[in-house]
Amino acid sequence: DQQVKQNSPSLSVQEGRISILNCDYTNSMFDYFLWYKKYPAEGPTFLISISSIKDKNEDGRFTVFLNKSAKHLSLHIVPSQPGDSAVYFCAASGDDMRFGAGTRLTVKP
Amino acid sequence: KAGVTQTPRYLIKTRGQQVTLSCSPISGHRSVSWYQQTPGQGLQFLFEYFSETQRNKGNFPGRFSGRQFSNSRSEMNVSTLELGDSALYLCASRLGALLSTDTQYFGPGTRLTVL
Repeated sequence: DQQVKQNSPSLSVQEGRISILNCDYTNSMFDYFLWYKKYPAEGPTFLISISSIKDKNEDGRFTVFLNKSAKHLSLHIVPSQPGDSAVYFCAASGDDMRFGAGTRLTVKP
Repeated sequence: KAGVTQTPRYLIKTRGQQVTLSCSPISGHRSVSWYQQTPGQGLQFLFEYFSETQRNKGNFPGRFSGRQFSNSRSEMNVSTLELGDSALYLCASRLGALLSTDTQYFGPGTRLTVL
């Protein structure tokens, strides 16, 4: 069962603009949410996380927003850079960790 | 500090065979988790080990098994391989047992192809 969903398999944005990646979850028991970035031939690397007691966490160009009532989180990248081009996975943690299918972000120069 | 290492990086097997994948966590990390990544499915949780004990198991058939040794190294075994087992298998380690607060560090993965 897909408890974590990323409905957009791909996203393309212009350099300097904002990238918004979305993620929905179904299990209200998840209490910690994470975003990972993955380059080809490498394992995912941790990007940013948010606890369920918060609704926003910011780290440099990356901000994660959590809307618990909608069971929705999003990752904002501002400004987007070509080096941000990668596959982004959202993950939700409770008794175990569930990942979305990923969104391939392409940032065009 | 060395990262998570996985061996082999690439593997080709035929249906019905079995395979063993190895993962060495970051030094000092005691928890190892395994994931299967296939196109369109994202990362699916296989199992997690902490101090040689399996703590969690995902929704995979019994053909998938694992173990963890006293030095925290972990192995994953898949028996009676099927074509659908072709995937990237990722291992991740973290320091402690608390899943929600520790950062996981992933290895580069083992690409398994079943012919």
